[in-house]
Amino acid sequence: QVQLVESGGGVVQPGRSLRLSCAASGSTFSDYYMFWLRQAPGKGLEWVAMISSDGHNKDYADSVKGRFTISRDNSRNTLVLEMNSLRAEDTAVYYCARDRDRRFDSWGQGTMVTVSS
Amino acid sequence: EVVMTQSPAILSVSPGERATLSCRASQNINSYLAWYQHKPGQAPRLLIYGAVNRATGIPARFSGSGSGTDFSLTINSLQSEDFAVYFCQQYNNWPRTFGQGTKMEI
Repeated sequence: QVQLVESGGGVVQPGRSLRLSCAASGSTFSDYYMFWLRQAPGKGLEWVAMISSDGHNKDYADSVKGRFTISRDNSRNTLVLEMNSLRAEDTAVYYCARDRDRRFDSWGQGTMVTVSS
Repeated sequence: EVVMTQSPAILSVSPGERATLSCRASQNINSYLAWYQHKPGQAPRLLIYGAVNRATGIPARFSGSGSGTDFSLTINSLQSEDFAVYFCQQYNNWPRTFGQGTKMEI
């Protein structure tokens, strides 16, 4: 198993930026695809971004494409989500999760992002 | 995308009873379904994958069934620590999608 701990959430004004981090420990971080997912208040979970184990392949939900950037540093066991041009609808708890055979076998506890003026 | 619909939204049960939660997919997802347990302030935990397989360390009182579009999670002999939100996720199609969750309360 791997332990995942997110950080970087907070309150930010619309149009501003925020950087989320996910620190991994306890397993071989570099072997797995990683995801950012989010859950807005009163809504279900949705995937936000995905990155391959080597960092070369990335994909984004349409709702964040062009505004968010996922990256990873396998030497530091860290996953990052750079969020720009934030909107009120980006308000959510953001989770990092490890992909194992297309299901998520490890999650962080989440970090809250609130976009509000 | 595949829409996952869970029912009921809230399930009230008593410790020691059995609970059955449902998850329906808008199209055939074969057996590519996972169930997760989520408690407030904690990381979600994978319970079931492949519709019927318990994840590592999950007690035998948790069981999954179904294939195609209709799936169930059954929890026998409910323990106090089982009261949480449960959600399903399909991974047959991209993007992977989740149900809205069932909150199980005492």
